[in-house]
Amino acid sequence: NAGVTQTPKFQVLKTGQSMTLQCAQDMNHNSMYWYRQDPGMGLRLIYYSASEGTTDKGEVPNGYNVSRLNKREFSLRLESAAPSQTSVYFCASSESPSVNEQFFGPGTRLTVL
Amino acid sequence: GENVEQHPSTLSVQEGDSAVIKCTYSDSASNYFPWYKQELGKRPQLIIDIRSNVGEKKDQRIAVTLNKTAKHFSLHITETQPEDSAVYFCAARYDMRFGAGTRLTVKP
Repeated sequence: NAGVTQTPKFQVLKTGQSMTLQCAQDMNHNSMYWYRQDPGMGLRLIYYSASEGTTDKGEVPNGYNVSRLNKREFSLRLESAAPSQTSVYFCASSESPSVNEQFFGPGTRLTVL
Repeated sequence: GENVEQHPSTLSVQEGDSAVIKCTYSDSASNYFPWYKQELGKRPQLIIDIRSNVGEKKDQRIAVTLNKTAKHFSLHITETQPEDSAVYFCAARYDMRFGAGTRLTVKP
């Protein structure tokens, strides 16, 4: 099992460009999450999907949109990238929203110039 | 949403000493309390967790204690080793938010 995979691993954007970060899990988990981690900082929840067909905002949703494409895949879109969105983005999954271990992907390092 | 506060933000100990990291939370509905370890440049990984019906859980050199009345829980690492150096995150799992993290340095 690959666990949680993310693409791309690295990305450089110019201000105003758009892009989609992809995440997939092969553990048949119901819940998926997107976090951002700024240098030397903690993990902040952007959006999550408690189950297929649902999505909810987290702590820092502004400037992002998400799509739960199916049970396996959860994508994060930046419509108009800003330098403040320079960060490492982690996708995670778990069996349920509140009471199970989260498994993290390897992260995407995004730089917005 | 849940407010999770984690202390200290940095902790430096000598190899062989113990390390304690504490988290407090605000939402009484929280019932799952995991601890994650993140080594430099890597993804967070679960090291131990505890559920609300248990007061303490131990796994070799790592233990977690929970005080639901006071709404705090702690990570205890005994006989620390240099490979324990990392950032540690707590969470009170009601709405998937993490504490700000503790950077632990174990000096040989």
